[in-house]
Amino acid sequence: EAGVAQSPRYKIIEKRQSVAFWCNPISGHATLYWYQQILGQGPKLLIQFQNNGVVDDSQLPKDRFSAERLKGVDSTLKIQPAKLEDSAVYLCASSPNPRQRVYNEQFFGPGTRLTVL
Amino acid sequence: AQSVTQLDSHVSVSEGTPVLLRCNYSSSYSPSLFWYVQHPNKGLQLLLKYTSAATLVKGINGFEAEFKKSETSFHLTKPSAHMSDAAEYFCVVSSIKSGGYNKLIFGAGTRLAVHP
Repeated sequence: EAGVAQSPRYKIIEKRQSVAFWCNPISGHATLYWYQQILGQGPKLLIQFQNNGVVDDSQLPKDRFSAERLKGVDSTLKIQPAKLEDSAVYLCASSPNPRQRVYNEQFFGPGTRLTVL
Repeated sequence: AQSVTQLDSHVSVSEGTPVLLRCNYSSSYSPSLFWYVQHPNKGLQLLLKYTSAATLVKGINGFEAEFKKSETSFHLTKPSAHMSDAAEYFCVVSSIKSGGYNKLIFGAGTRLAVHP
């Protein structure tokens, strides 16, 4: 079974530029997550999709971040304009179960390392 | 609200010696707890999870963790460290949010170094 795919793996941009990340979850997984992992910290949830609907975006800085999952499969996360503090690894994860259980495992992609200069 | 505290940001051991990574949790109800490992430039991988079936949980690569409700702890152990165990380890608690969707809350991580 193929894992969660993400691209690009690395990205370097200047502040105020825009950037987009792509994620393709494991086939058949209904739930998709985007996390931000700042150096030295644990991942923090940015947004959660159930199929193509958003179920939690409370931690997403909506003035600059946006995300979509139009067909309920792959997803893009965009930052516009980027700030220095956006430098982080952006992780995508997916989970198979449409019915949520507290013990549901999430499967993570390799992440995209963003550096904002 | 659920939270986890990893008591050590860095742990260093010699190859072949035991590993202990400490985690305390806070939860208003019986939690589900996980340990994930992150190797450099790789995604997070599940080591093991506690779902109330048994307090001693065995995971991959010889790791295990014991759920102790009285101490609100879920420490990760391994009898004998291997060089390939060097990585970042995250203790995670899961909760169900309003609307019925689950959410993972990560600790800050413990970096494990293994020396020859």
